[in-house]
Amino acid sequence: DGGITQSPKYLFRKEGQNVTLSCEQNLNHDAMYWYRQDPGQGLRLIYYSQIVNDFQKGDIAEGYSVSREKKESFPLTVTSAQKNPTAFYLCASSMGTGFLDTQYFGPGTRLTVL
Amino acid sequence: AQKVTQAQTEISVVEKEDVTLDCVYETRDTTYYLFWYKQPPSGELVFLIRRNSFDEQNEISGRYSWNFQKSTSSFNFTITASQVVDSAVYFCALSEGNFNKFYFGSGTKLNVKP
Repeated sequence: DGGITQSPKYLFRKEGQNVTLSCEQNLNHDAMYWYRQDPGQGLRLIYYSQIVNDFQKGDIAEGYSVSREKKESFPLTVTSAQKNPTAFYLCASSMGTGFLDTQYFGPGTRLTVL
Repeated sequence: AQKVTQAQTEISVVEKEDVTLDCVYETRDTTYYLFWYKQPPSGELVFLIRRNSFDEQNEISGRYSWNFQKSTSSFNFTITASQVVDSAVYFCALSEGNFNKFYFGSGTKLNVKP
């Protein structure tokens, strides 16, 4: 079955630690995205990648880093520089990056800072 | 300014009632797409519908229907004969411009009680 997987489902981090969230897709999509969702709010774009080895900052990139070494993988690292990292993180992908393309989402990772 | 406004934060209905979720958007582009997603308690965003700015025909899919009116910049979503399984947060989103950037509303939480 084609889809997007994210792991882990729940993640706990101590202050000052970096953590990496995994996102994998087997839809053969070119574009991938990371969003952050806070309680009662919509989704905010962290980073996006239109093609392998290329990625761009979204609206709230500070304190986050990404890589896109393979088409199917787009891991997100939450660094210690992110002051308020507790949130729900959603990964998405689309066939391309034109506005015609529907974004499909993974199941999400809930990150909690202890 | 918010590009997508979902004024209803939370709605509660009794099973079998009809319910309409409002979505108002703002854009200067003549070509754009509008989307609705469902987020059940599990967290994953499920794609429901995509509508382009040139197609104002209303759409019906089973118990779901969508009313797109450019004159009022609205893209409302109606669930007929609601069921408990419809309980979720529903997001409206706008895609415009050359890049597939989505602007999400803050979501409407729908509670359907038995």
